[in-house]
Amino acid sequence: KQEVTQIPAALSVPEGENLVLNCSFTDSAIYNLQWFRQDPGKGLTSLLLIQSSQREQTSGRLNASLDKSSGRSTLYIAASQPGDSATYLCAVFIYGQNFVFGPGTRLSVLP
Amino acid sequence: NAGVTQTPKFRVLKTGQSMTLLCAQDMNHEYMYWYRQDPGMGLRLIHYSVGEGTTAKGEVPDGYNVSRLKKQNFLLGLESAAPSQTSVYFCASSYRASGGETQYFGPGTRLLVL
Repeated sequence: KQEVTQIPAALSVPEGENLVLNCSFTDSAIYNLQWFRQDPGKGLTSLLLIQSSQREQTSGRLNASLDKSSGRSTLYIAASQPGDSATYLCAVFIYGQNFVFGPGTRLSVLP
Repeated sequence: NAGVTQTPKFRVLKTGQSMTLLCAQDMNHEYMYWYRQDPGMGLRLIHYSVGEGTTAKGEVPDGYNVSRLKKQNFLLGLESAAPSQTSVYFCASSYRASGGETQYFGPGTRLLVL
């Protein structure tokens, strides 16, 4: 059964720092991997989707990489801002299991 | 275009009571999902539907039932609520294109079972 973990569980950084969030999964037979953002009391918003054949995806200050063979993905946030404060979740999509989510990393960017 | 909406936003139940959570989407998506989110455990899939009139069990289906009588609606029922069902419930919908699948989430329903 696929398991998804995220490290760290929580992270606090000063504004302007570059930071990396990590996601690991146990079964490399994934169809794609997706990073979501969740604001307190809200639903999830998709940030980036990486197909299993891709190595990375970029959107603005966000860059997500995927190393399927090692079961890892990273979300890189450049020049962090207080508005980036949220919980970030990764999820892998596997046929027959649908999406399997990690527990999330709670990010606080301090002004 | 409202996206995915959920009703109600918050509810308190007593043990043994029943209730139905409503999810509606206006994006003509085929696939709809019900998740629960608990602290430290991420989202876990309860039930899902690949089209009108069809439903399937997810990872944690016990104690829940679902129905998809109309393409735009997906209902989640709790027959006899238990304190262990205290959680935040999220509905999502998606299309499945050849390039992958993106899920669109509702704002969630907070349920407290006393």
